[in-house]
Amino acid sequence: SYELTQPPSVSVSPGQTARITCSGDALPKQYAYWYQQKPGQAPVLVIYKDSERPSGIPERFSGSSSGTTVTLTISGVQAEDEADYYCQSADSSGTYEVFGGGTKLTVL
Amino acid sequence: EVQLVQSGAEVKKPGESLKISCKGSGYSFTSYWIGWVRQMPGKGLEWMGIIYPGDSDTRYSPSFQGQVTISADKSISTAYLQWSSLKASDTAMYYCAKVVAASPYYFDYWGQGTLVTVSS
Repeated sequence: SYELTQPPSVSVSPGQTARITCSGDALPKQYAYWYQQKPGQAPVLVIYKDSERPSGIPERFSGSSSGTTVTLTISGVQAEDEADYYCQSADSSGTYEVFGGGTKLTVL
Repeated sequence: EVQLVQSGAEVKKPGESLKISCKGSGYSFTSYWIGWVRQMPGKGLEWMGIIYPGDSDTRYSPSFQGQVTISADKSISTAYLQWSSLKASDTAMYYCAKVVAASPYYFDYWGQGTLVTVSS
């Protein structure tokens, strides 16, 4: 089955830039999406189609894609950005959607 | 305003059946796929499957095919997730979410989650 690989954790100090990666063989062919999940809350979409930001999501959230890796970048990290972040995409045929394992962002 | 309101927490015994619900409002319920996501305690998100309420077309992730049943009643704008015989390993938070039919599909609005606890 298809898998998306994320680092389990990323730590940054407030005001710094956090980069969270997601790797998968089908990412050159399939868009990726990013969700933020804070403790005890439902996930929230923060990036769609690799780099588009939904309305209401702060500009400090951005996404990019290069080959088999997509990256969520949070510039000027704030304490409120501490959360789990999940990428989501699909296999090369687009038949099965999957989530990455998630990355816990810690703001030091 | 799009809203997905899920049914309340459930505590069940192994072998029992269960059906949880997700009521959509603020959009055309029959025109958008709606999906279910599992999150086991302390773990990540898992895509379970989706249903198109307009014609009940349903697509399951291979891991969940045959393990659960996804259905919808378009007359009351409600989607369902059901089990015929629960196992302890079904203990999890279950989210419903509205699907954007892009390529690939993704979720733009989420319910608040339903916690299912299966314990003897």
